[in-house]
Amino acid sequence: GENVEQHPSTLSVQEGDSAVIKCTYSDSASNYFPWYKQELGKGPQLIIDIRSNVGEKKDQRIAVTLNKTAKHFSLHITETQPEDSAVYFCAAGNSGGGADGLTFGKGTHLIIQP
Amino acid sequence: KAGVTQTPRYLIKTRGQQVTLSCSPISGHRSVSWYQQTPGQGLQFLFEYFSETQRNKGNFPGRFSGRQFSNSRSEMNVSTLELGDSALYLCASSLQTGGTYEQYFGPGTRLTVT
Repeated sequence: GENVEQHPSTLSVQEGDSAVIKCTYSDSASNYFPWYKQELGKGPQLIIDIRSNVGEKKDQRIAVTLNKTAKHFSLHITETQPEDSAVYFCAAGNSGGGADGLTFGKGTHLIIQP
Repeated sequence: KAGVTQTPRYLIKTRGQQVTLSCSPISGHRSVSWYQQTPGQGLQFLFEYFSETQRNKGNFPGRFSGRQFSNSRSEMNVSTLELGDSALYLCASSLQTGGTYEQYFGPGTRLTVT
């Protein structure tokens, strides 16, 4: 089955700086890579996703890049703000019918220092 | 549009008991997936239901079961509870048409087994 590794487990950055979280996956059949943000006491919130026919996708201060050959994808957050503090999860899955669910990384606790 | 709702939000049970959790997906979504979240194992896929049929199942014992009703609402049941079943149980709904696979999570049910 799929295996997703996520690094780092904790990331502390100064407000206004950029943050980068990296993930690798093992199953070449995976073609859908979402990122989720989870705040304390809440369920994960989908913030951005990318499919394997795209190399990069941006949404305001958030961007995701995918290197299908190397089987890794990254989340980039620019101009970080206090409200970006949360746990971020990457995931990999197959968007076709009958998918085996999403396989998640262990999460990155992002801390924005004022 | 209302999000994914889960009931109850918190539950305390004793070892050996059984428990039923409920999930109402976003209106129009026909796929419901269940995940278990623990500090040690992270987010793990339990099973997915689509149009009242279980499409996929993760690597969990048979004590974990589920079902989906004609209105897409889903229930998850855990029998003979063990201490290790203490976790946040999350359900996620998805539209699942034309390659669309975005999964939207509910707030979760926090289950504590004593």
